Amino acid sequence: GEDVEQSLFLSVREGDSSVINCTYTDSSSTYLYWYKQEPGAGLQLLTYIFSNMDMKQDQRLTVLLNKKDKHLSLRIADTQTGDSAIYFCAEAAYTGRRALTFGSGTRLQVQP
Amino acid sequence: DADVTQTPRNRITKTGKRIMLECSQTKGHDRMYWYRQDPGLGLRLIYYSFDVKDINKGEISDGYSVSRQAQAKFSLSLESAIPNQTALYFCATSDGAGGAGDTQYFGPGTRLTVL
Repeated sequence: GEDVEQSLFLSVREGDSSVINCTYTDSSSTYLYWYKQEPGAGLQLLTYIFSNMDMKQDQRLTVLLNKKDKHLSLRIADTQTGDSAIYFCAEAAYTGRRALTFGSGTRLQVQP
Repeated sequence: DADVTQTPRNRITKTGKRIMLECSQTKGHDRMYWYRQDPGLGLRLIYYSFDVKDINKGEISDGYSVSRQAQAKFSLSLESAIPNQTALYFCATSDGAGGAGDTQYFGPGTRLTVL
């Protein structure tokens, strides 16, 4: 079955870069997503990458995909206190029907 | 106005009670989902619906049921609530149109506490 794994916690200083990592098992994944959850709120889509891409950049966000190792990362440049949140990796697990499989989330703490 | 709304936002109930959580969307999406979130476990899929006549169990459907009353409405019921159903529940939608159509849009969540 599908499995998505993330480390649970990351702490960085304001202004540094943050790198959140994710590994997945389903080689048939077509899209991989990063969602952000701020305290008391639902999940907000940050960005996604199609499986035939290696990298996608969107302002301060860079997504890297290593298909061979089934490894996805999200880099946040110049991390701000407002970036403190839980970040979820998710894959579109295509098993005849499409439903997302989420990792357990990485809590990013940004220290001033 | 929010595209995906959930009611209630918070609910405290007792063991054995029947509870209904409601979700409405104005995005015009065919696909709707119910997840629960527990600390350290991420989001787990309870049920999903790809259109009004299509209901499917997710990975943790035991103890839950759903109703898709219309394209815009998808309700989750706990027939007889138990304490380990205490969690944060999210509704989500997607248009499933292919490409990045699996992108899901989430409601704000319902915090349910079962005593």
